[in-house]
Amino acid sequence: GEDVEQSLFLSVREGDSSVINCTYTDSSSTYLYWYKQEPGAGLQLLTYIFSNMDMKQDQRLTVLLNKKDKHLSLRIADTQTGDSAIYFCAESSGYSSASKIIFGSGTRLSIRP
Amino acid sequence: DGGITQSPKYLFRKEGQNVTLSCEQNLNHDAMYWYRQDPGQGLRLIYYSQIVNDFQKGDIAEGYSVSREKKESFPLTVTSAQKNPTAFYLCASSIGQGAGELFFGEGSRLTVL
Repeated sequence: GEDVEQSLFLSVREGDSSVINCTYTDSSSTYLYWYKQEPGAGLQLLTYIFSNMDMKQDQRLTVLLNKKDKHLSLRIADTQTGDSAIYFCAESSGYSSASKIIFGSGTRLSIRP
Repeated sequence: DGGITQSPKYLFRKEGQNVTLSCEQNLNHDAMYWYRQDPGQGLRLIYYSQIVNDFQKGDIAEGYSVSREKKESFPLTVTSAQKNPTAFYLCASSIGQGAGELFFGEGSRLTVL
């Protein structure tokens, strides 16, 4: 079945850029998402990208999509302590139902002073 | 403010007992979902409902039950048949079938003693 893979941990220095990577297997993926989960809380949608796009930028966030390699990345510029969270990559293969969203295991981002 | 409210935030249960987790939304969303989150794993879908009085099993429905008698409410019962119920449970909603963004509650942490 479809799968989404992420590394579990990432540590960066405050002020540096963070790059969180994700690979997925479903070649028919239509939407790819990044969700953020702060400690003890639910997930919040950070950004998403359509599969016909290569890049999307939103303030400090840049999403890059390599559809050939099925690779998605999230870059956070000027990482701050408030960016400490778990970041989930997710994909869906169409706009038919949100129930088909497949989540990765999440990458825990920690910030070093 | 519109949102999703889950209760209780923390719950302890003895083995063999059923427990019901509450999820209420005032976003006027048609679709609601229950996910289970375990450390180092992605979110796994338990049940979802696209419309009142209708719901479908997700990937890990065994040992769980739901109801959808009102649009605003989607309670989850963790039954004694669930072999490993200790987990963090997340309720979510979306505008309707075909809406990719999920809105999450704050979660309920269930611990079986």
